[in-house]
Amino acid sequence: GAGVSQTPSNKVTEKGKYVELRCDPISGHTALYWYRQSLGQGPEFLIYFQGTGAADDSGLPNDRFFAVRPEGSVSTLKIQRTERGDSAVYLCASSPSPGEYEQYFGPGTRLTVT
Amino acid sequence: GENVEQHPSTLSVQEGDSAVIKCTYSDSASNYFPWYKQELGKGPQLIIDIRSNVGEKKDQRIAVTLNKTAKHFSLHITETQPEDSAVYFCAESGGTSYGKLTFGQGTILTVHP
Repeated sequence: GAGVSQTPSNKVTEKGKYVELRCDPISGHTALYWYRQSLGQGPEFLIYFQGTGAADDSGLPNDRFFAVRPEGSVSTLKIQRTERGDSAVYLCASSPSPGEYEQYFGPGTRLTVT
Repeated sequence: GENVEQHPSTLSVQEGDSAVIKCTYSDSASNYFPWYKQELGKGPQLIIDIRSNVGEKKDQRIAVTLNKTAKHFSLHITETQPEDSAVYFCAESGGTSYGKLTFGQGTILTVHP
């Protein structure tokens, strides 16, 4: 079946602008995760959802970052007043439920802030 | 907080040789340990995982071992092939980090034909 999809695949924006990154999880997966991966590093946790609610947002770096999942499926990561340090690959993953552990990743969105 | 150390950072082997990557973790309550393979421009791909009630798990040429007392786990790839070349990440979850994965720094594996 279809895997996790993310759009756009690449996003270039100017410092100070607002961006939205979208994630479509595997159908039926109730848990959804966002990670950020800088060049040469492992992914770093940002936030995860169980259904529509954010179960853990402890990885969000500051209040410029926000994520929603209004219908328990598609999720959008929103970044306000982007900074050059926000440049990274933003990865989304889903799993059948948090307790089942296995997380399946999408291809990521490469964000470049100029 | 949770911490995962991964070694080596780069590993170069000849085709047919074995490759071993090691990780240590700090949270004694961690109970899930996956390994991911990431190719250039792609997302991480889950290749094998192990839970804390198991000491070893094999899947064809790939195996993972876990030592909970020492808090370390390892990935073993036998009969390596050029298509095994990629970046490999270990991760851990469970305990205080329930639901989220904490990743190691990655190992760049190069298999020379």
